[in-house]
Amino acid sequence: KNEVEQSPQNLTAQEGEFITINCSYSVGISALHWLQQHPGGGIVSLFMLSSGKKKHGRLIATINIQEKHSSLHITASHPRDSAVYICAVRSQGGSEKLVFGKGTKLTVNP
Amino acid sequence: NAGVTQTPKFRVLKTGQSMTLLCAQDMNHEYMYWYRQDPGMGLRLIHYSVGEGTTAKGEVPDGYNVSRLKKQNFLLGLESAAPSQTSVYFCASSYNPGGADNQPQHFGDGTRLSIL
Repeated sequence: KNEVEQSPQNLTAQEGEFITINCSYSVGISALHWLQQHPGGGIVSLFMLSSGKKKHGRLIATINIQEKHSSLHITASHPRDSAVYICAVRSQGGSEKLVFGKGTKLTVNP
Repeated sequence: NAGVTQTPKFRVLKTGQSMTLLCAQDMNHEYMYWYRQDPGMGLRLIHYSVGEGTTAKGEVPDGYNVSRLKKQNFLLGLESAAPSQTSVYFCASSYNPGGADNQPQHFGDGTRLSIL
């Protein structure tokens, strides 16, 4: 079983819809990251969180440490949000390394 | 401010050839990483470095070597390329003052490598 599981693997939405991408992990963590990879291949860090909730524009990330679960929400989705969204966790104990999920491919149609 | 720059962006090699991928960052970051990304799999860590002159093995180190002779550069070498090393390679760096580990990683644009 992978340490980091994302769902769904693929998601297609209509412009304007509310999007939720889920991430579950099996180990104790010190931080969870959400990353975005555009079709051109570049990877950008969106959020890093260890508790609660963070918001940036139309993106919201939440984490429930007890349930080992995080969600990434996109409000009022737009075709430019089409990308692969990747969840990654850093294990407790001061590990320098991240463990990555396989990603969720989001397509937003106009 | 260039961030993390990877060279080259594309390369085709024949089995058995050698090459070096260069990663350069201008953010004075301590930590640097090399990942590979394959279809249907998450990013996997090949090697990483927590400072100039240091390197460590990641999840999939076999067939690769690295060097961090200067703080801003992290080199990934393939001594004898194999078709299984066909992949997209990403370099990343992070700012970790005093070894603090909860810092975002900044990624390069990737190097697409094909081994024939």
